[in-house]
Amino acid sequence: DSGVTQTPKHLITATGQRVTLRCSPRSGDLSVYWYQQSLDQGLQFLIQYYNGEERAKGNILERFSAQQFPDLHSELNLSSLELGDSALYFCASSETPAHEQYFGPGTRLTVT
Amino acid sequence: TQLLEQSPQFLSIQEGENLTVYCNSSSVFSSLQWYRQEPGEGPVLLVTVVTGGEVKKLKRLTFQFGDARKDSSLHITAAQTGDTGLYLCAGADYGQNFVFGPGTRLSVLP
Repeated sequence: DSGVTQTPKHLITATGQRVTLRCSPRSGDLSVYWYQQSLDQGLQFLIQYYNGEERAKGNILERFSAQQFPDLHSELNLSSLELGDSALYFCASSETPAHEQYFGPGTRLTVT
Repeated sequence: TQLLEQSPQFLSIQEGENLTVYCNSSSVFSSLQWYRQEPGEGPVLLVTVVTGGEVKKLKRLTFQFGDARKDSSLHITAAQTGDTGLYLCAGADYGQNFVFGPGTRLSVLP
């Protein structure tokens, strides 16, 4: 158990809908990262937050947004969902941006 | 933009064989991590190396950080079916930016 929690574990929704994925980092970690992983693919970095502020952006679509709250948990919002958004979404946390990351169990999103 | 390359992309071996996978970059990293990911699960941190030339051993796994801090290798001795998974390397540069390689997908056959 990495100490990073993600909810929900599974999510099935229809095209055009909006969903919110939630992540609680390890105790003491200030940095949160979101990744997308499609079937048999590598990790695609989406976005990073550090102590509530956006720090880095990867290949995140405009339909996606995220935030980190004062209690350091983070949410990833996915809107106008398309079939191609079906994937595993991982959250990771680290003490600082330079420290190793610890991953949550992921949320499996299926868009039908 | 830093890039981490991993080779080979895919590797299929028989149980009991030895193997080495590589992680290379043209950039210098302050530290480098190796992760293992099983299907449907999150990557799990195996090791962090921080000193150029450093060698770390975890049971049958040996990790080495290159002298120039631009590359790393992971050697597995007497592979077991439980070693099957996606092996990812990741590096942190001196600007505190973190980047992952594309991974080596290892399949150990019984």
